[in-house]
Amino acid sequence: EPEVTQTPSHQVTQMGQEVILRCVPISNHLYFYWYRQILGQKVEFLVSFYNNEISEKSEIFDDQFSVERPDGSNFTLKIRSTKLEDSAMYFCASSHGTSGSSTDTQYFGPGTRLTVL
Amino acid sequence: RKEVEQDPGPFNVPEGATVAFNCTYSNSASQSFFWYRQDCRKEPKLLMSVYSSGNEDGRFTAQLNRASQYISLLIRDSKLSDSATYLCVAGPRGNKLVFGAGTILRVKS
Repeated sequence: EPEVTQTPSHQVTQMGQEVILRCVPISNHLYFYWYRQILGQKVEFLVSFYNNEISEKSEIFDDQFSVERPDGSNFTLKIRSTKLEDSAMYFCASSHGTSGSSTDTQYFGPGTRLTVL
Repeated sequence: RKEVEQDPGPFNVPEGATVAFNCTYSNSASQSFFWYRQDCRKEPKLLMSVYSSGNEDGRFTAQLNRASQYISLLIRDSKLSDSATYLCVAGPRGNKLVFGAGTILRVKS
């Protein structure tokens, strides 16, 4: 069964450093997402991406964050200058998207645990 | 008011029990509804979509009441492997999913 993959599984970084989290969505999917989950809290939407551009973003997704699809398979989340409060699990997700709708099922990757020291 | 509200639990039930979870959502524009399951420190995994007509998948039954903005999940004949956090999810028009904080289920032998 196809699945979303993410690397690395755990990233430790110093405050102020840049990190790039990588995802490979399911191959025939058209919509890509990033969510985060701070320990003990709910899963929160960060951003969605379709047709090589951001289609929606939350208030969490400020200028420190950016997303990119550098090639035909990878989807990345960059945090330019990490803060302590960026420590969380970051989940990538993808959905097929039929008839221009993105409200079909989203499949999640295993996550990257980001620890900012 | 939280966009998606759930009772955090935990619900501690014996094997074989029937357990029900409820959830309310505040955005009447929500278009799609799901139950996801999350094991400790793992990714959310889709359990089932929720439709207005109600739907069943084996031991799991989901119901949606749009008028009351209320979603439910019923688990029959609970197994030890059902122990997890159950996430109620609403999808407003657009791309994002809005998650509830989750309900913890512990099934004990």
